[in-house]
Amino acid sequence: KNEVEQSPQNLTAQEGEFITINCSYSVGISALHWLQQHPGGGIVSLFMLSSGKKKHGRLIATINIQEKHSSLHITASHPRDSAVYICAVRSGGGADGLTFGKGTHLIIQP
Amino acid sequence: DAGVTQSPTHLIKTRGQHVTLRCSPISGHKSVSWYQQVLGQGPQFIFQYYEKEERGRGNFPDRFSARQFPNYSSELNVNALLLGDSALYLCASSSDRVQTQYFGPGTRLLVL
Repeated sequence: KNEVEQSPQNLTAQEGEFITINCSYSVGISALHWLQQHPGGGIVSLFMLSSGKKKHGRLIATINIQEKHSSLHITASHPRDSAVYICAVRSGGGADGLTFGKGTHLIIQP
Repeated sequence: DAGVTQSPTHLIKTRGQHVTLRCSPISGHKSVSWYQQVLGQGPQFIFQYYEKEERGRGNFPDRFSARQFPNYSSELNVNALLLGDSALYLCASSSDRVQTQYFGPGTRLLVL
């Protein structure tokens, strides 16, 4: 069973700061997802990646398969980025669904 | 185009009762997965259905069951509810078993 660890658990930063959230996993995967969850529960899929780097707007996700590690970066952070960011991995053929980290609670202060 | 929809949005039940939660996937998506998210924790995988067949099951007791209908909508059933079943139940759909999952808003279940 894959263990997914995220750090930090909580992060408070000022508007405009560069944010980094880290995710590490214990077993080889077929894909890694970064998700955003707002208060009230709705989850939005930000990225799915299996290698390299992806960018969407101010968000950048990278993954290092050899080191079993991924990072989510937010440039020029804004209060509307405040949310819980969750890392989730899919192992092998996907029959076990996604395994989730506990999430990083991000607060961006104006 | 509508996203993933779930019903009901909120539900209150008492211990021992049974509950049925419903999910409609994005049009054209054939895979539906169910997750349980207890307050303060990440979601936990319950079931995955693809083309109306169970393709994966998480570590949940037999009180939990699900099915997928010909139109690819899905139901999650929980029997003999326990206090610990109180959680947000999330449904996610994808075009196949391994592509990006799109999540519904969830059903918040409270068991008293």
